[in-house]
Order: sequence, then C-alpha cells, then structure tokens
Amino acid sequence: SYVLTQPPSVSVAPGKTARITCGGNNIGSKSVHWYQQKPGQAPVPVIHYDSDRPSGIPERFSGSNSGNTATLTISRVVAGDEADYSCQVWDSSGDHGVFGGGTKVTVL
Amino acid sequence: QVQLQESGPGLVKPSQTLSLTCTVSGASISSGSHYWNWIRQPAGKGLEWIGRFYSSGNTNYNPSLRSRVTISVDTSKNQFSLKLSSVTAADTAVYYCASQLRSKDNLAYWGQGSLVTVSS
Repeated sequence: SYVLTQPPSVSVAPGKTARITCGGNNIGSKSVHWYQQKPGQAPVPVIHYDSDRPSGIPERFSGSNSGNTATLTISRVVAGDEADYSCQVWDSSGDHGVFGGGTKVTVL
Repeated sequence: QVQLQESGPGLVKPSQTLSLTCTVSGASISSGSHYWNWIRQPAGKGLEWIGRFYSSGNTNYNPSLRSRVTISVDTSKNQFSLKLSSVTAADTAVYYCASQLRSKDNLAYWGQGSLVTVSS
C-alpha cells in the first residue's frame, strides 16, 4: 500500500515561513491535497491538486509537488495558523485514499 | 454548500458492529454527483480513510478494513451509512463523513465528527 510520510512537528516564529513536507514514492506523479485541522474540529481543505487554493484560503498558503516530496508552505505565519496539517492522495488505482500522519505546526 | 452531519451510538461493545449515519443537506445522494466518504481519527493520531460510496452502488474500501466495512446509502432519507463489524478498542476514534465531487478530488466537505468508543 502507498505510504505518505510527514514530520511530526514543525515550529516557526510569527512572520516567518513554515514548510511542511509530505514524502511518498514518486508522489510527483500524483495530485496532493492538504488539510488544516485545529483541536476539536474537522479538517479543512487548504490546498488541492498540489497548489490550488480553495475559496477563502489566504494566499499565504501555497503548495508544490515534485519527485518524492510535496510541500505545503505557509508564508508570514500568524498565531491562527497553529494546527495539524495532513497531506492526502488517491493511490495508483484511484480507488483508495491515503493520508499522511500529520504535522503539528507550532507558532513560537 | 453541502453540509454533513454524523449520528450514531457513542459507545459500542467489543465484537459488536459499529453503525453510523451521515445526513446530507445541500446535495442529493440520488443524483450521483458526489462521492460519499468515511474517515476516522484515533485520539492523538492521524486521519485514516475508511471507504466511499458512489454512482449507484459502487464502493471502495481501505484494504486493511475491507473485510469488516460496509458503506451504503438511503436515498429516501438522503443519508449514507457506515457499518464496521467485530470492533475492538483499536476502532475507538472520531469518525467523519466527507464528500468529494470527482474520484480524485479533495474531500471538500466534512461533518463535524462523531466520537465512537469501543468498551465493555
């Protein structure tokens, strides 16, 4: 089965840039979706199809995907960005969803 | 705007069957325009995709859960359901329903989640 690997945690100072990686075998050939999840809340999509932002998501959120790594970048981080972020793909058959383990972003 | 709401027992005994329902508003299940998913998240852990229902009876299931999972719909109530059999403590989690428009789209709409505890 396909495996997505994320770092457990990332710390960033306010106003700086946070980069969250999602590793997978040839993940660049797949479309990656990213979700933000705050404590006690359901996940919220922040990036779909590698780099597209859903309506209402700030331009500070961006994504890229190449080779074996996809990256979610949060620029000019604010306290409200503190959350868990998870990547997600559909496997090669297109029939099964796969999530990364999630990365907790802490704003210092 | 699609809205989803999970409902069902919060406590299930080991070896029994977990049953949850997701009520949909803002979209018609019978239209075949969406894929209807279930996802779960044990406390302090990551999200796990369970499976989905789409287009007049088609289902996809997580291979690790396939032998125990059934996802079905009730078009008359605009609901879809999850049944997970032979549960153990490892199945304790927050269960979410979510929808997508196309097979490789993101999960655009989510319910608020329903905590199910497996305990005697």
